[in-house]
Amino acid sequence: AQSVSQHNHHVILSEAASLELGCNYSYGGTVNLFWYVQYPGQHLQLLLKYFSGDPLVKGIKGFEAEFIKSKFSFNLRKPSVQWSDTAEYFCAVRGNYGQNFVFGPGTRLSVLP
Amino acid sequence: DTGVSQNPRHKITKRGQNVTFRCDPISEHNRLYWYRQTLGQGPEFLTYFQNEAQLEKSRLLSDRFSAERPKGSFSTLEIQRTEQGDSAMYLCASSFTWTGGNEQFFGPGTRLTVL
Repeated sequence: AQSVSQHNHHVILSEAASLELGCNYSYGGTVNLFWYVQYPGQHLQLLLKYFSGDPLVKGIKGFEAEFIKSKFSFNLRKPSVQWSDTAEYFCAVRGNYGQNFVFGPGTRLSVLP
Repeated sequence: DTGVSQNPRHKITKRGQNVTFRCDPISEHNRLYWYRQTLGQGPEFLTYFQNEAQLEKSRLLSDRFSAERPKGSFSTLEIQRTEQGDSAMYLCASSFTWTGGNEQFFGPGTRLTVL
């Protein structure tokens, strides 16, 4: 069965600090990978996605993620966070032949002004 | 607004009562998904539809849960004889099939509290 782990439960950063959120998955086949963000009081929104091709994908609001197949990882990065990035971040994986999305437990990011 | 909508946004019920939630997907999307999310956890897959056909159900979906999408448009999720453990956020998402993969667009969720 697929599973997704996110290394950090809660990350606290100051504005302008760099961010890296870890995501590892377990699945033997080809996968589609996603990062979703949930801002306080809002619904889940897609940040970025990887289907195939260049393993470094860029998303909205300056976020990027790198797919490293050998490490089963899809870490999210941002060079300089802003207070408005305070949110919950979820990594998700979908096997290429199934429709079932599996989400990680989420990482809460708090950015201090 | 052309996003996914869910009603009601909040539902408080007493244990043993039945509840029904509705999801209206983005109009051209043929796939519709239901998830459950509890505090501190990511969404857990419950079931999904392609058009009106329910194609997959999670083991989390006990016999008390039933979902329908009668005309391939909106969907309902019913929970019978609610239990306190059913308290959660119920999320709906929709997507459009294409061969390269799909991404899901989420609604705001229905928060269920079972007293």
